[in-house]
Amino acid sequence: AQTVTQSQPEMSVQEAETVTLSCTYDTSESDYYLFWYKQPPSRQMILVIRQEAYKQQNATENRFSVNFQKAAKSFSLKISDSQLGDAAMYFCAWNGGSQGNLIFGKGTKLSVKP
Amino acid sequence: NAGVTQTPKFRILKIGQSMTLQCTQDMNHNYMYWYRQDPGMGLKLIYYSVGAGITDKGEVPNGYNVSRSTTEDFPLRLELAAPSQTSVYFCASSYNTPSNQPQHFGDGTRLSIL
Repeated sequence: AQTVTQSQPEMSVQEAETVTLSCTYDTSESDYYLFWYKQPPSRQMILVIRQEAYKQQNATENRFSVNFQKAAKSFSLKISDSQLGDAAMYFCAWNGGSQGNLIFGKGTKLSVKP
Repeated sequence: NAGVTQTPKFRILKIGQSMTLQCTQDMNHNYMYWYRQDPGMGLKLIYYSVGAGITDKGEVPNGYNVSRSTTEDFPLRLELAAPSQTSVYFCASSYNTPSNQPQHFGDGTRLSIL
């Protein structure tokens, strides 16, 4: 069975600094996709960034980028120039297989200090 | 487009009562999902559907039922509410899977069983 592990329950970063959130996963599938979702207190699930497993190039979206290490099954999220609005729960998620559902990690709560 | 719409947003039930959580999407997506999110945890799959008339169990299906009579609607029913079903429920949809296209989430239903 696929599993996703986020080993950092909470992280804190100073405004304008950079922070990296860790995620590891376990799967025997060769074709899959990885996502980072942001969940603010409003509880909306907001897509931050996505990565196709067959692409070696790391995905980037403005201030957000990933470090995807397929052999190590690692998918970390780097947030540059952190802003107060980045404060939220961040979930790493894996998508693959016939069901198509997302397998989520337990999340990392990110605080941003002014 | 409205996307994925869930109703109600909040509900309090007494033990043993029943209710239906409604979910509607207007994106003509084939795949629909119900997740639950317990405090401090990621989302776990309850049931999913790959098209009208087809449903299947996810990781935590006990105590729930679903139906999919149309492409748009995917209601989740609780027959005998129990305190263990206190959670936030999310409905999501996607066009196909596995895919790099993100699942679209509703805003969630916060359900308390007292």
